[in-house]
Amino acid sequence: DADVTQTPRNRITKTGKRIMLECSQTKGHDRMYWYRQDPGLGLRLIYYSFDVKDINKGEISDGYSVSRQAQAKFSLSLESAIPNQTALYFCATSVTSNEQFFGPGTRLTVL
Amino acid sequence: QQQVKQSPQSLIVQKGGISIINCAYENTAFDYFPWYQQFPGKGPALLIAIRPDVSEKKEGRFTISFNKSAKQFSLHIMDSQPGDSATYFCAASSRSGGFKTIFGAGTRLFVKA
Repeated sequence: DADVTQTPRNRITKTGKRIMLECSQTKGHDRMYWYRQDPGLGLRLIYYSFDVKDINKGEISDGYSVSRQAQAKFSLSLESAIPNQTALYFCATSVTSNEQFFGPGTRLTVL
Repeated sequence: QQQVKQSPQSLIVQKGGISIINCAYENTAFDYFPWYQQFPGKGPALLIAIRPDVSEKKEGRFTISFNKSAKQFSLHIMDSQPGDSATYFCAASSRSGGFKTIFGAGTRLFVKA
């Protein structure tokens, strides 16, 4: 079984809809991250959490929110999706902030 | 400056050749420099990493060269194979930056058989 799982793997939605992307991990790591990947822009940090009570904004948090429901679960929400949020989204975990372990990604398309 | 600049955007190499990807950074507080490898449909995975107290690290066919004074580091893939075809990201992080990892834009490598 995969250590970091993301659901859904693919999602097509319409402008204005609320979307939640979910991430679960069995690695027992305290630190969890949400990134988006766009061609030519690499991976950009949206939000990160160093434990259940700690949530921090990354470089591109506008239009997104997160919830850390448990050590193993970290969800990303788009309250009102817009087309420029079309991207590949990755969840990652780490023990320290050196090596990060990524999930398989969610491809989100906003029409 | 938090940016990590990576070049080239794409690279085509013959099987058996050397692939070289370069990165440059501005923030001298960075103290950990990993390279991640991403295959299509998968998440990135750590390939190799270096700290600024050494100038080179080698793991199999993969070598990181680090030039602290120039604030540059590079990935060399020796004897490149078609199975190395992937996207490669350089990155940097620092304790003083809250350990946030800053990624380069990525390089798409294609190794021709």
